[in-house]
Amino acid sequence: DQQVKQNSPSLSVQEGRISILNCDYTNSMFDYFLWYKKYPAEGPTFLISISSIKDKNEDGRFTVFLNKSAKHLSLHIVPSQPGDSAVYFCAARAYSGGGADGLTFGKGTHLIIQP
Amino acid sequence: KAGVTQTPRYLIKTRGQQVTLSCSPISGHRSVSWYQQTPGQGLQFLFEYFSETQRNKGNFPGRFSGRQFSNSRSEMNVSTLELGDSALYLCASSLNTGGMETQYFGPGTRLLVL
Repeated sequence: DQQVKQNSPSLSVQEGRISILNCDYTNSMFDYFLWYKKYPAEGPTFLISISSIKDKNEDGRFTVFLNKSAKHLSLHIVPSQPGDSAVYFCAARAYSGGGADGLTFGKGTHLIIQP
Repeated sequence: KAGVTQTPRYLIKTRGQQVTLSCSPISGHRSVSWYQQTPGQGLQFLFEYFSETQRNKGNFPGRFSGRQFSNSRSEMNVSTLELGDSALYLCASSLNTGGMETQYFGPGTRLLVL
């Protein structure tokens, strides 16, 4: 059972417009969420994170929104640039009494920025 | 500051063999986690080490094991390799262990089992 879901395998956006990548989760114990970007033959690169006590976090062109009641988060990229073309992974982490769990990843969304 | 490094980058083994992968974390990072990426299952957590102790373990068979040394470098071992072990193995490091720690990934070791 997938605890982190990225329902769009791919997304095509025109250069300069906003890219919105979505992620849903089912585990209510998740309290830290991260977005990673991955190019082929490379490891994931950290982009931005948000803790469950916040509903928004911004870093330059990247903004992550968290809706805890809906168990939904989204990554906004404004404006989209050609170098943003990559696979984006949503990840979540739970902290239980024994310590933090490993990251649980979604299957990824392939973002294609068109000129 | 240098990033996470993994060696080797590529590896070809045959069924039944064993393999050891190495990971050097970012300088000063004390936690190392390992993940397996396959086309079917995506990125899955294997285990995490902190201060030479395994802190967490994912849902993988006992053929997958690891260790961490006093300098925080980590190794992962897979014994009795199966075809399904073909994957990209990623190592990630973080400063400490804990819920709000960001993990930084290395480039991965691509393992092909024939």
